[in-house]
Amino acid sequence: GAGVSQSPSNKVTEKGKDVELRCDPISGHTALYWYRQSLGQGLEFLIYFQGNSAPDKSGLPSDRFSAERTGGSVSTLTIQRTQQEDSAVYLCASSLGHTNTEAFFGQGTRLTVV
Amino acid sequence: DQQVKQNSPSLSVQEGRISILNCDYTNSMFDYFLWYKKYPAEGPTFLISISSIKDKNEDGRFTVFLNKSAKHLSLHIVPSQPGDSAVYFCAASKAGNNRKLIWGLGTSLAVNP
Repeated sequence: GAGVSQSPSNKVTEKGKDVELRCDPISGHTALYWYRQSLGQGLEFLIYFQGNSAPDKSGLPSDRFSAERTGGSVSTLTIQRTQQEDSAVYLCASSLGHTNTEAFFGQGTRLTVV
Repeated sequence: DQQVKQNSPSLSVQEGRISILNCDYTNSMFDYFLWYKKYPAEGPTFLISISSIKDKNEDGRFTVFLNKSAKHLSLHIVPSQPGDSAVYFCAASKAGNNRKLIWGLGTSLAVNP
């Protein structure tokens, strides 16, 4: 597709289980971001990938969170041993990178931990 | 430390009037600024941007003004329409290899018919 695609669109999981969220960025975009938005909160930066550079992981809230970007394209955000406070909408965005920071967002994955 | 601040969490205006959304930043290294609009249950969508070499950028009903000395930018929507009701985010980036976007917390705009 032409836009940023995220899957699944909704995920309900039991507390303590691991989840994987997927993001397919726009082809050719070298920069990829993960954000989350909890109920009533603003966008919270999680992690940023730019080309082959080491990712900026400064926003990851705990070591239960990790992300990979394989081949400079698809990215997976993994949350281990999920907690109820992890419930949020997880948004992925991509941009051309270095000279163009206009980021295009996916529709998000709504994660509910019960 | 919030480098990009949107101090008004919400704003309500009448249809047809001007909406003015404000954004302040603290990092003088920021050289590119963007506004995004977000509807419920959707990802943010890009609205308009401005480079630090300019002080104004206009696109239809949307105009962004940048005051570098005050480290302040604003988004003007005129005339406001009910469909403009959404959360508006201000974001900034600085020159260099890492052009990570730094976001404000958003302002919820309600345009009343």
